[in-house]
Order: sequence, then structure tokens, then C-alpha cells
Amino acid sequence: DAKTTQPPSMDCAEGRAANLPCNHSTISGNEYVYWYRQIHSQGPQYIIHGLKNNETNEMASLIITEDRKSSTLILPHATLRDTAVYYCIVRVAPHNQGGKLIFGQGTELSVKP
Amino acid sequence: DAMVIQNPRYQVTQFGKPVTLSCSQTLNHNVMYWYQQKSSQAPKLLFHYYDKDFNNEADTPDNFQSRRPNTSFCFLDIRSPGLGDAAMYLCATSKRTGSSYNEQFFGPGTRLTVL
Repeated sequence: DAKTTQPPSMDCAEGRAANLPCNHSTISGNEYVYWYRQIHSQGPQYIIHGLKNNETNEMASLIITEDRKSSTLILPHATLRDTAVYYCIVRVAPHNQGGKLIFGQGTELSVKP
Repeated sequence: DAMVIQNPRYQVTQFGKPVTLSCSQTLNHNVMYWYQQKSSQAPKLLFHYYDKDFNNEADTPDNFQSRRPNTSFCFLDIRSPGLGDAAMYLCATSKRTGSSYNEQFFGPGTRLTVL
């Protein structure tokens, strides 16, 4: 499985966009990029995933570079409730290994008033 | 609302005393997972079930067992808890369609304390 590298922590002002980077330079062609977040004392929550194209849903946008070696999760208008640890996960091809998730250390995002 | 439920949210046990954690789901997902998350660490997969097919991770200690009596329920049994097993235990579910696994839905976790 490809390894991911994320900054350990970031701050963001409330109402501003939060841009969370992730490096995955060893990603394989059939591996997806997934983002989950974990608010303190809760279970992780799925945010978004993508393979090659940029993706957007009601929670966030995912921008994947053309060479797929890095990606950025964008929370367009961060709120205090977005304070959490954000995990970027490169997931084995969906049909392998039971869809397992291998979590890295993640980025602790603090949204400040 | 469809969800993943874990009971209890907090469990205290004594060193060496067997303990069982439970997970139930109303999502009708055919895959269920158990993760262990120690303090200040990321979650780590212990094992998963695809229907009744059990899949153990290679580095999961034998002290950890699991049962899935039906689609809705899955149990984590720790036969002889040690101090190092104190952690948050997370249950997750996913739907496998054909050969593809969809995103995982997590429960709130059970925090286990070993005295």
C-alpha cells in the first residue's frame, strides 16, 4: 500500500477555506485516495474519495494532481465543528484485502474563531 | 437513522478477565470491521467479516477473537486483557457489491480500561 505524508497540524480561521495537503508519491494506478476525519472521542467519518478526477460533495472538495502523487482536501468554509484529525488514506484497489483502511498519523486541524 | 451502534461506550475490566465488546448495525452491510485505536495513535485494523467469512490481520494477537452470529451483530472478545490492550475499539461496516467495497461507516467506539 502506498504511504501518505501529511503535516501533523494546521490552523484555520473560522469561515475561511481549509486546504489540507497529502503526499502519496508511490501511489499505484489502481489505488484510490480516501479522506476520513475523526472528531475527538468519536469514530472516523468518511468525507470523500477519488481516483484521478477532482471530486466534490456536500462536505468537501478533493483535488488530485495530474501525476496523482499528491492531493488536497478543501473544506470551503471551515467551522468550529470541523476541528478534527483528518486522515488521507491510499486504499488498495477496492476488490483487494477486504477494503481495508490503513490509517497514517493524519493532520490535526484546529479551526479558530 | 441507519447507524452503527457500539455498547457499552466505556468498559472497565480487570487484568486477565475476559471481556466482550458488541457492535450492531442497521445499515444491512455485509462487511464488518474491528479496529483498535490506542491513545494518540491512528486506528489499526484487527479483522473483518465479509458475511460469515472471517479475515484476520496477520499481526492481530491470538488474544483477540471475533464472532458474527448474524448480519446485524459482531462481537469482539478479548480472552485475557493485558494493560497494553487498553484502547478505543472501533467497529465499522461497509457494503461489498461484487468485488468492490464502498466507504466504511464507523460506530462511536468503546473505550476499554484495563485495571
